[in-house]
Amino acid sequence: DTAVSQTPKYLVTQMGNDKSIKCEQNLGHDTMYWYKQDSKKFLKIMFSYNNKELIINETVPNRFSPKSPDKAHLNLHINSLELGDSAVYFCASSVGLASTYEQYFGPGTRLTVT
Amino acid sequence: AQSVTQPDIHITVSEGASLELRCNYSYGATPYLFWYVQSPGQGLQLLLKYFSGDTLVQGIKGFEAEFKRSQSSFNLRKPSVHWSDAAEYFCAVGARSGNTGKLIFGQGTTLQVKP
Repeated sequence: DTAVSQTPKYLVTQMGNDKSIKCEQNLGHDTMYWYKQDSKKFLKIMFSYNNKELIINETVPNRFSPKSPDKAHLNLHINSLELGDSAVYFCASSVGLASTYEQYFGPGTRLTVT
Repeated sequence: AQSVTQPDIHITVSEGASLELRCNYSYGATPYLFWYVQSPGQGLQLLLKYFSGDTLVQGIKGFEAEFKRSQSSFNLRKPSVHWSDAAEYFCAVGARSGNTGKLIFGQGTTLQVKP
């Protein structure tokens, strides 16, 4: 039973389109995150949510809008996709916000913008 | 600025050989320290973590890491590498204060294992 799942696994789209990536965790965690991994495998946090409340927004363009309908879900909607948005996006979750809590990562969504 | 540096982008070792992956951090105070592993096509998995106490910490899959405050380092080691250890390894730091859950990752080290 997958702990943190993401859909889709692969997403190929054209510039200017709008797309969404979905994330669900069945661990009962309060905190969820979105990370972006670029082509050089550099991993950077984008957003964190705790109990559906936005905690971190790491200077991500407004075209990126996370939405947390409930504690188990954190979706990422991207408007007007650009070539530079091509990356692997990881969702993660943890028991709470403290850095001492292990973060559990999903398998990633590889987004390719053409 | 807070940062994590993994000096080795790519390392190749023979199966059965020992391994050390380097990690250095720049932080205002001693942060929480983590090593994560990413197998091909998969998400990251926590190998081990250091919060306080004994500076040598044991993790899963036979890995260990040693925190050296004087060198701002947290190097990962394994005495005998298995072919299944081939993966991407990430060192990360987290703040002790200001609960945000934010982790800062290094750029990763790709481990290749030769038969």
